[in-house]
Amino acid sequence: AQSVTQLDSQVPVFEEAPVELRCNYSSSVSVYLFWYVQYPNQGLQLLLKYLSGSTLVKGINGFEAEFNKSQTSFHLRKPSVHISDTAEYFCAVITYGSSNTGKLIFGQGTTLQVKP
Amino acid sequence: NAGVMQNPRHLVRRRGQEARLRCSPMKGHSHVYWYRQLPEEGLKFMVYLQKENIIDESGMPKERFSAEFPKEGPSILRIQQVVRGDSAAYFCASSPVRDGRSEQYFGPGTRLTVT
Repeated sequence: AQSVTQLDSQVPVFEEAPVELRCNYSSSVSVYLFWYVQYPNQGLQLLLKYLSGSTLVKGINGFEAEFNKSQTSFHLRKPSVHISDTAEYFCAVITYGSSNTGKLIFGQGTTLQVKP
Repeated sequence: NAGVMQNPRHLVRRRGQEARLRCSPMKGHSHVYWYRQLPEEGLKFMVYLQKENIIDESGMPKERFSAEFPKEGPSILRIQQVVRGDSAAYFCASSPVRDGRSEQYFGPGTRLTVT
């Protein structure tokens, strides 16, 4: 079975500081990796995804993430955060293969709180 | 191209009543996923449907919950005889294909409160 662990439930950070949100996954098969953002009372929006190729992926709003296969991690980073980045961030995986149904398996979420 | 539509956005039901949640996928999308977000928890997969077919319902509770995606009209998630533990945000997502590489587009969710 697959699982996703987001190591921090809350990350407070000051505006313009860098931030890293950590994500580790466990899977016996290969996976695709995703980061989604959820603003209050809204649905989820895709930030970025890793399918194959370069392990450093860039997404929207200045976010990037690095896939590390040996450490089974997919940490999300941003060099300088804004107040508007305050939101809930979810790491997720999809297994791929003939039995893949495309369902996302989510981590518990990390609340990013950007302070002025 | 309109996004994924869900209605109602908020739904209040008394214990024992039925709740019907609707999801209209993006135009051209024939794959619908339902997820549930319980308070203080992440999202959990419930069911995956294509038009007129349930493909994967491994995340659905065995009793009281059902889902459909008819040939015409929205996908419906139905909860019979609701209990307080059903209070949650229910999200649907749609995708044009099932390969896992394509983005799933999420609706704004239906927030169900059971009193």
